[in-house]
Amino acid sequence: DTAVSQTPKYLVTQMGNDKSIKCEQNLGHDTMYWYKQDSKKFLKIMFSYNNKELIINETVPNRFSPKSPDKAHLNLHINSLELGDSAVYFCASSQGEIGTEAFFGQGTRLTVV
Amino acid sequence: GESVGLHLPTLSVQEGDNSIINCAYSNSASDYFIWYKQESGKGPQFIIDIRSNMDKRQGQRVTVLLNKTVKHLSLQIAATQPGDSAVYFCAENILFGNEKLTFGTGTRLTIIP
Repeated sequence: DTAVSQTPKYLVTQMGNDKSIKCEQNLGHDTMYWYKQDSKKFLKIMFSYNNKELIINETVPNRFSPKSPDKAHLNLHINSLELGDSAVYFCASSQGEIGTEAFFGQGTRLTVV
Repeated sequence: GESVGLHLPTLSVQEGDNSIINCAYSNSASDYFIWYKQESGKGPQFIIDIRSNMDKRQGQRVTVLLNKTVKHLSLQIAATQPGDSAVYFCAENILFGNEKLTFGTGTRLTIIP
């Protein structure tokens, strides 16, 4: 069984479009995250949610809007996509203290053309 | 900071030899550190973590060493195998203060058969 699953795995879209990436974890964790990995493999946190409440918003443009309908899901909606949004987006979850061992999904490779 | 413009450091090791991957962390207040392994096309996978009240921690074939004086972290992998080929990331956090993992640049480890 997949612990943290993201859909879709690949997403190719045109500039200006709106898209969503879904994430679900079946680990019973309280905290979920979105990370962005650029072409240089640099990983940077975007958001974290704890029990459906926003904990961290790491100066992400407001075109990015996370939504957590319940603590097992954290979706990422992106409006007016730009070329610079092309990256791999990872969802993760953790239990216990926020910012400790996190389990990552397989990633969504977003390409904006 | 971001790794834009930097090449991913690489380390090539003969199969069966020991590997040492180094990481310089940025915040002297960080009290939690973690190593992740990322294989091609996959999400980061937890290897081992260590808190600042420890200098050394051992797992299966891996050892993490922490030197707080010089803000240095290392990951030792014993008897490397082809499956160890991946990008390795260190990450730091201030528990109950920062609540987010800040990732380092990453090191690409290649195992030579």
